[in-house]
Amino acid sequence: DGGITQSPKYLFRKEGQNVTLSCEQNLNHDAMYWYRQDPGQGLRLIYYSQIVNDFQKGDIAEGYSVSREKKESFPLTVTSAQKNPTAFYLCASSMDSMRNQPQHFGDGTRLSIL
Amino acid sequence: GENVEQHPSTLSVQEGDSAVIKCTYSDSASNYFPWYKQELGKGPQLIIDIRSNVGEKKDQRIAVTLNKTAKHFSLHITETQPEDSAVYFCAASYGNDMRFGAGTRLTVKP
Repeated sequence: DGGITQSPKYLFRKEGQNVTLSCEQNLNHDAMYWYRQDPGQGLRLIYYSQIVNDFQKGDIAEGYSVSREKKESFPLTVTSAQKNPTAFYLCASSMDSMRNQPQHFGDGTRLSIL
Repeated sequence: GENVEQHPSTLSVQEGDSAVIKCTYSDSASNYFPWYKQELGKGPQLIIDIRSNVGEKKDQRIAVTLNKTAKHFSLHITETQPEDSAVYFCAASYGNDMRFGAGTRLTVKP
């Protein structure tokens, strides 16, 4: 079955620590996205990538970094510069980003501060 | 940039009744409008979408309507069932810019 796999499901971060959230897709999609979801709010875009080795900042990129070395993988690093990292993080992919294709989501990673 | 507003934030209906969720958008260039259902602890799942060249689309108990002039679109769920209980998100998109509403928590009471 094709889909998006996010891991881990739960993650805890200590002060001053960087943590990396994994996102893998086997849908052969070109575009991938990272969103942050806070209670009672919609999804806010952190970063997106239209193609391998390319990515762009979204609305709330500060304190986060990404890489796109392989088509199927788009890991997100939450750095110590992100002062309020507690949230539900969602990864998504779409066939491409320019033709209004639906985005398919993983089941998220919940990040908390220790 | 695009701004999407969604109402109501919570909605409670009796099983078998209809539910309607409404969204407005600000950017007239938006031309793709998906709706997502999110269950607790899961990612959003696409349930229906509509493009700007269509005014209405139906899929069994779910329908979406789009009024481009007024810049609003709505989700209609008929004959609601307890398993329809979830958070529903609308979105408006142009190219790679997709903006989401804040969500509606729908509760269907048996």
